Amino acid sequence: NAGVMQNPRHLVRRRGQEARLRCSPMKGHSHVYWYRQLPEEGLKFMVYLQKENIIDESGMPKERFSAEFPKEGPSILRIQQVVRGDSAAYFCASSPLANEQFFGPGTRLTVL
Amino acid sequence: QQQVKQSPQSLIVQKGGISIINCAYENTAFDYFPWYQQFPGKGPALLIAIRPDVSEKKEGRFTISFNKSAKQFSLHIMDSQPGDSATYFCAATLYNQGGKLIFGQGTELSVKP
Repeated sequence: NAGVMQNPRHLVRRRGQEARLRCSPMKGHSHVYWYRQLPEEGLKFMVYLQKENIIDESGMPKERFSAEFPKEGPSILRIQQVVRGDSAAYFCASSPLANEQFFGPGTRLTVL
Repeated sequence: QQQVKQSPQSLIVQKGGISIINCAYENTAFDYFPWYQQFPGKGPALLIAIRPDVSEKKEGRFTISFNKSAKQFSLHIMDSQPGDSATYFCAATLYNQGGKLIFGQGTELSVKP
């Protein structure tokens, strides 16, 4: 059973560009969470999704950030018009029943 | 009320020693307390977790102690090994309710040979 997959693993963007981060949950998992880890800091919750629904987006910045988990395909975290402060590691976690969460390897975003 | 406070920030232990990391939470509704281990450049890996109906849980060299009245829990790593050198995060959430994980600040553990 493959673990949570994230791609790309590393992403470099210039200020003002868009970043798209993808997450494929573990087989059988229908709950997806996104977390952000800033340099030298802990992990902060961003958004919780189930198939086609956003359940909790209380940790997501109001502007420029959006997330989706379509019926088919991976979950996408989208950051529009990136700024240097968006540079961080973004982790996706999946869960079978909204309990234990298993993390992917992360996408490290660098904004130049 | 959503915070989880973790200490120490860093810890150096000799090989074979006991590593102890402490966490305290505020929200009494939390009912699931996992610990994650993270190596540089990797994602957090679920290490061990506890529900508040027990005061201790042991898996191999890793033990969680839980004190519900004090709202504290701790991770003990027995016979610490250099391979245990990593950053450890405690977390708290609401089990089976899709709760977001509230993480502590992390503890960077270094086990010296």
